[in-house]
Amino acid sequence: KAGVTQTPRYLIKTRGQQVTLSCSPISGHRSVSWYQQTPGQGLQFLFEYFSETQRNKGNFPGRFSGRQFSNSRSEMNVSTLELGDSALYLCASSPSEARRNTIYFGEGSWLTVV
Amino acid sequence: GENVEQHPSTLSVQEGDSAVIKCTYSDSASNYFPWYKQELGKGPQLIIDIRSNVGEKKDQRIAVTLNKTAKHFSLHITETQPEDSAVYFCAASRDGGFKTIFGAGTRLFVKA
Repeated sequence: KAGVTQTPRYLIKTRGQQVTLSCSPISGHRSVSWYQQTPGQGLQFLFEYFSETQRNKGNFPGRFSGRQFSNSRSEMNVSTLELGDSALYLCASSPSEARRNTIYFGEGSWLTVV
Repeated sequence: GENVEQHPSTLSVQEGDSAVIKCTYSDSASNYFPWYKQELGKGPQLIIDIRSNVGEKKDQRIAVTLNKTAKHFSLHITETQPEDSAVYFCAASRDGGFKTIFGAGTRLFVKA
């Protein structure tokens, strides 16, 4: 079974630009969540989607948004990029409603803002 | 607020020795405790997990123990190998809940 797939793996953006990251969950998984990982802050929860609905959101500004499609794929968008947004963005999927806390991560998208 | 403390932050062992990483959680309602291994340039990989109805779980060279009363859980790696070198994260959450609290990570170095 293929794991969580994230694209692109690496990208460099300029301050003020926007970026869209994509995620395909493990086949059959309907819950997708996103995390930001930085050396200083560790793993921080961004948002969680289930059946195209955002169910939970972490403590991030409105510049961070996301969505989920009917096939469970998900995208996250960051607008008006700041230098501090440089991080590894991890998508994760969970197998079921009852096991939404069993998280399988993708390889991540490395975002560098210059 | 809820948090998970993880120690040590860095651990260096000789190949063949054992390594132990310890975590303490604050939310007494937590009942699911996964461990992740993150190699350089990769995402965290779920390597083992334990639920609160079990005190210990083993999978080949790795084992986890849980002390619910003390709110402690630990990862034990025996016969360490250089490929065990990575950052290890513990986490705690409640079944049916979305919120997973991660520890800050332990960087394990296994010297050949």
